[in-house]
Amino acid sequence: EAGVAQSPRYKIIEKRQSVAFWCNPISGHATLYWYQQILGQGPKLLIQFQNNGVVDDSQLPKDRFSAERLKGVDSTLKIQPAKLEDSAVYLCASSLGRRTPEAFFGQGTRLTVV
Amino acid sequence: QKEVEQDPGPLSVPEGAIVSLNCTYSNSAFQYFMWYRQYSRKGPELLMYTYSSGNKEDGRFTAQVDKSSKYISLFIRDSQPSDSATYLCAIQQVGGADGLTFGKGTHLIIQP
Repeated sequence: EAGVAQSPRYKIIEKRQSVAFWCNPISGHATLYWYQQILGQGPKLLIQFQNNGVVDDSQLPKDRFSAERLKGVDSTLKIQPAKLEDSAVYLCASSLGRRTPEAFFGQGTRLTVV
Repeated sequence: QKEVEQDPGPLSVPEGAIVSLNCTYSNSAFQYFMWYRQYSRKGPELLMYTYSSGNKEDGRFTAQVDKSSKYISLFIRDSQPSDSATYLCAIQQVGGADGLTFGKGTHLIIQP
């Protein structure tokens, strides 16, 4: 079974530029999460999708971050404009459905904003 | 008060020792309790999860939950150098906003 795929693995951008990350979840997984992991911290939930609908985006900085999951499969997370404090690893995870505790993570995209 | 507290370490122990990793949490609504292992530059990998108070064993790993004191533990027996990683506790509320809430992670080093 293929795991959660994310791209790119690494990205370096200047502040005020925009960037996008892509995630392909495990086939058949209805729930998709984006997490932000700052160095030395645990992952923090940014947004949760159930199929193509948003379940929770309460911690997403909506003035600069956006995410979509068209067709309920792949997802993209965008930052525009980026700030220095956005430097982090962005992790995508998926699970079969809500209330299914087993979430599988991708390897993440390491973003450096200079 | 943070929802999940976890000592970041580092925790260094000799090979073969029993390792004890711990977290405390504040929200009684949490119902699923997980332990993830994260190697450097990799995504978190689920080790085990439990739903209720008590112990759950899987090979060399034992997860323990005490809901009355809001305390969760992971024990690793016969620790190996390959167990060196960051261990993250994660807690999930069933219903409503049910994404995972993570601790900071404990960096574990097993000395050969």
